[in-house]
Amino acid sequence: KNQVEQSPQSLIILEGKNCTLQCNYTVSPFSNLRWYKQDTGRGPVSLTIMTFSENTKSNGRYTATLDADTKQSSLHITASQLSDSASYICVVSANNAGNMLTFGGGTRLMVKP
Amino acid sequence: EAGVAQSPRYKIIEKRQSVAFWCNPISGHATLYWYQQILGQGPKLLIQFQNNGVVDDSQLPKDRFSAERLKGVDSTLKIQPAKLEDSAVYLCASRPGAAGTGELFFGEGSRLTVL
Repeated sequence: KNQVEQSPQSLIILEGKNCTLQCNYTVSPFSNLRWYKQDTGRGPVSLTIMTFSENTKSNGRYTATLDADTKQSSLHITASQLSDSASYICVVSANNAGNMLTFGGGTRLMVKP
Repeated sequence: EAGVAQSPRYKIIEKRQSVAFWCNPISGHATLYWYQQILGQGPKLLIQFQNNGVVDDSQLPKDRFSAERLKGVDSTLKIQPAKLEDSAVYLCASRPGAAGTGELFFGEGSRLTVL
């Protein structure tokens, strides 16, 4: 069964600090992995997409990594800001008919001043 | 480019009443999804359309939920009769490619409260 597990479930950090969110998946065959940011009361917005051959990709203060061998991804946030407070959702796409998507439960990040 | 449009943004009903949500995907997007997101959890797929055909509705509670995308463009999700556990945000999303390829874009969601 395809699964995506995210950790931690929730995280509180002080403004300016760094943090790393984890995503482990068992989706097969693997196509790509996306990290989404979901602000409270809003729809998820894509931060980055990782394909099989990519190890690291950055989007401003967000850096995603992918280890296709261990089926793990991480999202590192540098110099956190109050606006980073949100849920971060890992979504893995399978390379099959319909390109089925499997969602993680998300990590709820709170950045405090 | 206009995003995925959803309405209403908020709806409060009593249990056993009915409700309908509307979604207009990004123009030209072939694949449309409805997700249910309970507070504190990730989105759960209810139904996936490719154009006006259903690709996956295995997790749709068909005794009370129905969805249609008659002309392969906008879509409606209906709940009748609603239960307390249906309280959630209903997210619509679309992807440009056939067979569900391309980036997934979400609407802002419709928040349902069942009393």
